[in-house]
Amino acid sequence: KAGVTQTPRYLIKTRGQQVTLSCSPISGHRSVSWYQQTPGQGLQFLFEYFSETQRNKGNFPGRFSGRQFSNSRSEMNVSTLELGDSALYLCASSQTSVPDNEQFFGPGTRLTVL
Amino acid sequence: GNSVTQMEGPVTLSEEAFLTINCTYTATGYPSLFWYVQYPGEGLQLLLKATKADDKGSNKGFEATYRKETTSFHLEKGSVQVSDSAVYFCALSVLNQAGTALIFGKGTTLSVSS
Repeated sequence: KAGVTQTPRYLIKTRGQQVTLSCSPISGHRSVSWYQQTPGQGLQFLFEYFSETQRNKGNFPGRFSGRQFSNSRSEMNVSTLELGDSALYLCASSQTSVPDNEQFFGPGTRLTVL
Repeated sequence: GNSVTQMEGPVTLSEEAFLTINCTYTATGYPSLFWYVQYPGEGLQLLLKATKADDKGSNKGFEATYRKETTSFHLEKGSVQVSDSAVYFCALSVLNQAGTALIFGKGTTLSVSS
């Protein structure tokens, strides 16, 4: 079974631009979550999508948004990029949206904002 | 709110030494608890989990017991190997009205030398 895939793997943007990251979950998984990983703040939850609906959202500004398609693929968008948005963005999928489900992580997209 | 505190690293050990990485949590409700590991150059992967009090999760020689009375989930291994060198994250997940989210500790870097 193919794992979670994320594209692109690396991105360089400048302040003020916007960016879209993509995540394809493991086949059959309906829940997709996004996390931001930085050296200072560690791993922080962004949002979770299940069956095309946002179920949960972390404490991030409205510049961070996402969506999920009918095939469970998900995208996240960051508008008006700031230097502090430089991070590794991780996507994780799980079969359902319950706390004891294992989440399978993708390799991440490394975003650098100049 | 929900949070996870784990010991600061780095932890440096010789091969065959005993490992303990402390993890304590604060949560509303009844969380599921996890240890995830991130090997150099690889994505996050689940190491072990426990979903209720007194459960013991185990995998690859690592163990952790869900202690509700001390709100702890310490990771232990009796004899570490060089291949265990990685970053270890303690995490919890609670189902709330909105959905699920993994809340991570800051991570502990383990370096094992031969």
